[in-house]
Order: sequence, then structure tokens, then C-alpha cells
Amino acid sequence: EAGVTQSPTHLIKTRGQQATLRCSPISGHTSVYWYQQALGLGLQFLLWYDEGEERNRGNFPPRFSGRQFPNYSSELNVNALELEDSALYLCASSPGRGTPGNTEAFFGQGTRLTVV
Amino acid sequence: DQQVKQNSPSLSVQEGRISILNCDYTNSMFDYFLWYKKYPAEGPTFLISISSIKDKNEDGRFTVFLNKSAKHLSLHIVPSQPGDSAVYFCAAGEMNRDDKIIFGKGTRLHILP
Repeated sequence: EAGVTQSPTHLIKTRGQQATLRCSPISGHTSVYWYQQALGLGLQFLLWYDEGEERNRGNFPPRFSGRQFPNYSSELNVNALELEDSALYLCASSPGRGTPGNTEAFFGQGTRLTVV
Repeated sequence: DQQVKQNSPSLSVQEGRISILNCDYTNSMFDYFLWYKKYPAEGPTFLISISSIKDKNEDGRFTVFLNKSAKHLSLHIVPSQPGDSAVYFCAAGEMNRDDKIIFGKGTRLHILP
């Protein structure tokens, strides 16, 4: 069974551009979570989608946005990129409404975004 | 304001010995705690969790201890194996809230041969 898949694995953008990151959850999972892992900051919660709706977001500016599609895959969009947005962006999925930390939450390998 | 702190950025332990990774938290509302393990170029994987109604949870070589009064938890790995070399993230949240959990910055564990 395929795990959580993220694309692309690496993305290089220039400051001011937009980046789109994609995540496909494990089949049957309806919740998708996005995290940012920036150097020295650990994993920081970005967004949580469940059943196509945004359920919660972390302390990030509005230029971080996303959506969840009917097939439960998700996109993370980062507009007006800044150098500080360079980080590893991780997606996780779980079967339904619940914390991302339960035993049924799985992470993808991440997308490394570099802003130059 | 760091609500979940892992004060040791790295730790080296001899193979076969005990690895102890520590984590402190400040938010007294946290009642659910987790440890994740992350290898390079991979996403974090769930390792073990504990709720605040317990003070210990064991799963094979991994044991998590929770000291609520000190707002401290620790992960013990006994015995340490080379495959345990990874970054370990401590995380905390509230069980009755379906939203975000807070992660620490991680501790890099290096198991020495």
C-alpha cells in the first residue's frame, strides 16, 4: 500500500514567486496536515484539512494557504515567497478527524523548498 | 515562546547502552505527548505516545516517562542500536482538541559502535 506521497521532492523559487506543493494521503485517509520544518525551529503546524474543509491553521501569514480536493489530496500554496520560507514542508495524513499525533498518522517524505 | 523544549540538540550513546532523550513543556493544558523519529530524507514516523493519566508507557525497547509536576518527559531506548541513530522529536497536545500539536526542535541521537 502506498504511503503519503509528496511532490515535488525539491523546489527552487525566487523571492516573490509562488510555490505549490502537493500531497496525496494514504488511501482511505481524509485528514491532511501540513507542517514546516525550518532550520532550528522543529516542526511547526501549518494547516489541517479534513473532508475538504480547512479545520485549523497555525501561526503563519495568509500567504500560506491551501486546499483539499474531493479525492482528499491537498495543495499547499505559498505566495510572495520570502527567503525565510526556505524549509522542508511535510504532509501527514490520518483516517479522519483527530490529532495528527495518533498512531494512525503518517508523514510523507517532504518537499524541500529553497527560496533564492 | 517555546512550549515544547528539547534542550539537547544532539546526543551520542554507545551501542548497547541506554539512550535518554529529554523534553520539557510549559503549557499545563497539554495532556497527550508523543515522540517521533526522523531519518534523513524521510518524514517523521510515530514512535510512542503517553497520555497524562499515565506516568509510563512501554513499547519494546522504548519507554516514555512522564512527570506531570515537573512538566517533563523522557524517552528511554534500551538497549541502543545503530538503527536508532536519527532525530527524535518530542510533541505535545490536548487530547480533547482536534487540532495542532506542538513539536520540539528535535534531538539528534548518534549511536556509537
